[in-house]
Amino acid sequence: DVKVTQSSRYLVKRTGEKVFLECVQDMDHENMFWYRQDPGLGLRLIYFSYDVKMKEKGDIPEGYSVSREKKERFSLILESASTNQTSMYLCASSLEEGVEAFFGQGTRLTVV
Amino acid sequence: KNQVEQSPQSLIILEGKNCTLQCNYTVSPFSNLRWYKQDTGRGPVSLTIMTFSENTKSNGRYTATLDADTKQSSLHITASQLSDSASYICVVSALWVRGSSASKIIFGSGTRLSIRP
Repeated sequence: DVKVTQSSRYLVKRTGEKVFLECVQDMDHENMFWYRQDPGLGLRLIYFSYDVKMKEKGDIPEGYSVSREKKERFSLILESASTNQTSMYLCASSLEEGVEAFFGQGTRLTVV
Repeated sequence: KNQVEQSPQSLIILEGKNCTLQCNYTVSPFSNLRWYKQDTGRGPVSLTIMTFSENTKSNGRYTATLDADTKQSSLHITASQLSDSASYICVVSALWVRGSSASKIIFGSGTRLSIRP
């Protein structure tokens, strides 16, 4: 069974903190994605990676960075968390771009 | 501008009834369209994926249709069950060239479906 695992289900951080969200997939997929999901806005792409050490900006990369040192792991970094980054964060992976993506269970991040 | 619009925003039906959710898109060049089911507090799970040449695909009680000419898709749920209560998200992918501009996967904002006993 395919699996995308996010390190935390719920996270509470203070404004200004550096936050790491980790995502691991066990399917040997090339592509990995980070989205945030907000009510009424749907899923919005933050960053994606199509190979180790490769990354591309999505639609809303401001305030975020990513790291992909190993194929199975894709990390999302909030350099200095702000309250407007309170959201549900979803990681996904896929074998090919635009082909079925498998999602993690999500991380509900609250920045206070 | 690439867009995906879903309707209705929310829907309440009685258990056992059928329903149809709509998705209109303006994504070009079109690659594929997927429907996802997302339970509250969970990540989305794929229901169906259709390419340009497919106009119907079923997954149990879920049947998706695609009209590539009118750029419309629908998700029909037959004999609804309480476990069908979830958000249903339509996702359209454009053909993507590596190194080109950002997102080629466009998400609709979803339809929130509630099934009442």
